[in-house]
Amino acid sequence: DTAVSQTPKYLVTQMGNDKSIKCEQNLGHDTMYWYKQDSKKFLKIMFSYNNKELIINETVPNRFSPKSPDKAHLNLHINSLELGDSAVYFCASSPGQVAFEKLFFGSGTQLSVL
Amino acid sequence: AQSVAQPEDQVNVAEGNPLTVKCTYSVSGNPYLFWYVQYPNRGLQFLLKYITGDNLVKGSYGFEAEFNKSQTSFHLKKPSALVSDSALYFCAVRDSRRTGRRALTFGSGTRLQVQP
Repeated sequence: DTAVSQTPKYLVTQMGNDKSIKCEQNLGHDTMYWYKQDSKKFLKIMFSYNNKELIINETVPNRFSPKSPDKAHLNLHINSLELGDSAVYFCASSPGQVAFEKLFFGSGTQLSVL
Repeated sequence: AQSVAQPEDQVNVAEGNPLTVKCTYSVSGNPYLFWYVQYPNRGLQFLLKYITGDNLVKGSYGFEAEFNKSQTSFHLKKPSALVSDSALYFCAVRDSRRTGRRALTFGSGTRLQVQP
C-alpha cells in the first residue's frame, strides 16, 4: 500500500493546455502539501491544506489552483501551461501542523511542457 | 525568514570511508532541523530530525547529524559509506516560533556519490 500516491507519474503536454495532478494519502493525516522541484533540484513549497482548509499559499501564479475535496486528497490544477511550469511536482502529507512533524512524500509527477 | 544553505552540490567518497554532508541554517527563533534523502525517480524520505536536547541525532540507515548552535550548522554524517547511500540529500529547517502556517524550507540538495 502506497502511503502518498500521485497520478500521473509523467505528464507531457503542450503550452496553453490545462492539466491536473491528483494526490491521495491513506495515512489519516490532516495536512497535505504541494512542492515544486525545478531542474536544479531546488524544492519549493507551493500550497498546504489542513483538513481541507488552505493554510499556506506561497507566491504561485493564479494559474495554479489546489483543491482538497477531503483531507485525504489534494489535487493541483494548472491552467494555461507555460514552458516554465516544467518541473517535478511532489505531494506530501504530515499528521497535523506541528512544526517538528516529518513529511511523507509521494513519488512525484514529472511535468514536461512543450 | 528561515533559510538553509548546502554549500556543496556534490560530495564524492569511497565506500567504507566516513562521509559528511554540510548544512547551515538561519531562523529567527530556535530551529527544527531535518534531513531527507531522495533516490532517483522517488519522493523524499525522512532520515532524521533535531528538535531539542542531545546535539547528536541518530537516524535511519546509520546516518547521524550534529546540531551546532554557535555555528548554525546541522551536518549529516555516517562513519562508513555504502554505495547504496548514493542519492540526493536535502537539509530542511522550520522556525520553532512559527505557527503551522509556515512550511519546511529546504536547501538546494547535495548529491552524494559513493564509489566502490
